[in-house]
Amino acid sequence: SQTIHQWPATLVQPVGSPLSLECTVEGTSNPNLYWYRQAAGRGLQLLFYSVGIGQISSEVPQNLSASRPQDRQFILSSKKLLLSDSGFYLCAWGTQGLAGSNEQFFGPGTRLTVL
Amino acid sequence: DQQVKQNSPSLSVQEGRISILNCDYTNSMFDYFLWYKKYPAEGPTFLISISSIKDKNEDGRFTVFLNKSAKHLSLHIVPSQPGDSAVYFCAASEVFRAAGNKLTFGGGTRVLVKP
Repeated sequence: SQTIHQWPATLVQPVGSPLSLECTVEGTSNPNLYWYRQAAGRGLQLLFYSVGIGQISSEVPQNLSASRPQDRQFILSSKKLLLSDSGFYLCAWGTQGLAGSNEQFFGPGTRLTVL
Repeated sequence: DQQVKQNSPSLSVQEGRISILNCDYTNSMFDYFLWYKKYPAEGPTFLISISSIKDKNEDGRFTVFLNKSAKHLSLHIVPSQPGDSAVYFCAASEVFRAAGNKLTFGGGTRVLVKP
């Protein structure tokens, strides 16, 4: 069966510090990978998605970047965090080419607080 | 511009009764719809989905109805249980048409099931 891992689970960082959040998927090959952010009391905002190694698409202009160095690894980064980067970050995976369906499956999330 | 809207931010229901969650969308190109359940500090879990070629899909206590002409879908939970207390998100996508099989999420509805 497929599993998705995210770490760390929680993170408190000062403004201006760098960020690296990691997501890995097991039990599937060539997945689509996604990074979402949920701000307090809000819905899920898609930040980045990737359809393959080294292929990153950004959905919204922001202070963050993403990379996919391996097929089942997705990393969210920032060189200098802003207060507005605080939120709950979720990684998700989905299958490609599965006719007629489009489910995504989410990791446990990382709670980031920027002080 | 919110393409997927959940106009009721919260819903309170008695245990054993029906919970009805509503979702409206504006993009006529959406052809696949999903519902997710989310507990605090956890990732969303997939509940049920429906393709635009159907108007109803049922899985146990969960039934999703789709009215394409009204661009409206709803999730019925019968009977409601205290463990159903969570935030529910609807999501929509354009299968095959949108690169990366992206999902667009609504803002969520918080459900409280009272014992």
